[in-house]
Amino acid sequence: EVQLVESGGNLVQPGGSLRLSCSASGFTFNSYAIHWVRQAPGKGLEYVSGISNDGGRTYYADSVKARFTISRDNSKNTLYLQMNSLRVEDTAIYFCVKGRGGMRDGYNYYFFDYWGQGTLVTVSS
Amino acid sequence: EIVLTQSPGTLSLSPGEGATLSCRTSQSVGSSYLAWYQQKPGQAPRLLIYDASSRATGIPDRFSGSGSGTDFTLTISRLEPEDYAMYYCQPYRSSPPYTFGQGTKLEIK
Repeated sequence: EVQLVESGGNLVQPGGSLRLSCSASGFTFNSYAIHWVRQAPGKGLEYVSGISNDGGRTYYADSVKARFTISRDNSKNTLYLQMNSLRVEDTAIYFCVKGRGGMRDGYNYYFFDYWGQGTLVTVSS
Repeated sequence: EIVLTQSPGTLSLSPGEGATLSCRTSQSVGSSYLAWYQQKPGQAPRLLIYDASSRATGIPDRFSGSGSGTDFTLTISRLEPEDYAMYYCQPYRSSPPYTFGQGTKLEIK
């Protein structure tokens, strides 16, 4: 059974930092890209960041570029999201998501076949 | 940047009725690069449909997807009580970052 378990969410002040973790099991972790998708309270889904299976390619939404850093440790089946310079608008539930897809015209594409239950990040003074 | 429009915003139907949800994109996403997700209150989203028309593992056959190019449809043939939820579409023709649709809320009439 595929499981993705997020942790690290907390209340943090604007300008602060937080590191989220996602522990994976039930599949061959180093064979799949993993992503973060967030959902602000009462709002829709927003793609945040992703990383290829070997860590060689990373992806970021414009809204978090240069502030957030995604990484993975395939020896520990764990994904990370380092979030710096946090803003009030970063307040959301952050979901760890397993990517599935392929390659087309030299581009990797993904849809999201398994989701964790999410961890809540609240940015407030 | 691709712009997505899901319609209607809210759909009110009775159990047993059929539902048709639409997702339109501002640019072509090719023949099949679109997924649909279902989200119930307090839960994570769940993949329903990928490649526009392929059902994900464990998804009942009352759910079906169709469309290509810029117009896609999610059809639920006979609504069950557990189908009332939010539904989001996601095109994935290129590499991330991706945009999700704003969602359609399916509510009990």
